[in-house]
Amino acid sequence: AQSVAQPEDQVNVAEGNPLTVKCTYSVSGNPYLFWYVQYPNRGLQFLLKYITGDNLVKGSYGFEAEFNKSQTSFHLKKPSALVSDSALYFCAVRVLPLNAGGTSYGKLTFGQGTILTVHP
Amino acid sequence: KAGVTQTPRYLIKTRGQQVTLSCSPISGHRSVSWYQQTPGQGLQFLFEYFSETQRNKGNFPGRFSGRQFSNSRSEMNVSTLELGDSALYLCASSLASSYNSPLHFGNGTRLTVT
Repeated sequence: AQSVAQPEDQVNVAEGNPLTVKCTYSVSGNPYLFWYVQYPNRGLQFLLKYITGDNLVKGSYGFEAEFNKSQTSFHLKKPSALVSDSALYFCAVRVLPLNAGGTSYGKLTFGQGTILTVHP
Repeated sequence: KAGVTQTPRYLIKTRGQQVTLSCSPISGHRSVSWYQQTPGQGLQFLFEYFSETQRNKGNFPGRFSGRQFSNSRSEMNVSTLELGDSALYLCASSLASSYNSPLHFGNGTRLTVT
């Protein structure tokens, strides 16, 4: 079974400093990895995804993520944090079934989420 | 292009009642998935519909059901509500054409069961 872990419930950084939100995954197939952000009383917004190719993926709002296959990690990063980045962040994985006949695209397995707080 | 629309935004029901939530996907998106979000369990997959057929189902009791219409709009129903059903219910749509298609979420329906 696939799983995603976000080891930190909360991350606190000062505005202007770099930020990292950690994510590790466990899958038996090829992972398709995603990061989402959620603001209060809102749905999830897609930030970026890793499919194949370069291990450093760039996404929305200046965020990027680094895929590390040997460490099974997909950490979210931003060089300079903004107060407006404060939100709840989710890492998620979708696994390509070993049987290519499977066509369920809608199921993602999410981590428990990390609350990011950026202080002025 | 309009995003995923969920109605209503808020619902208050009492135990034992039933509720129906609605979701309109992004135009052109044929896959609709539903998730339950609670502080304790996080985001849990409920089910996915594609072309009016349920294609995948999470580990929820039979009180939770859904359907999809020919225009891709979807509804989910919860019967015999329990206090533990209080949650944010999120609908997501995708192109369903490949595994690298991200899900696009609506703002959710906040259900409170009293």
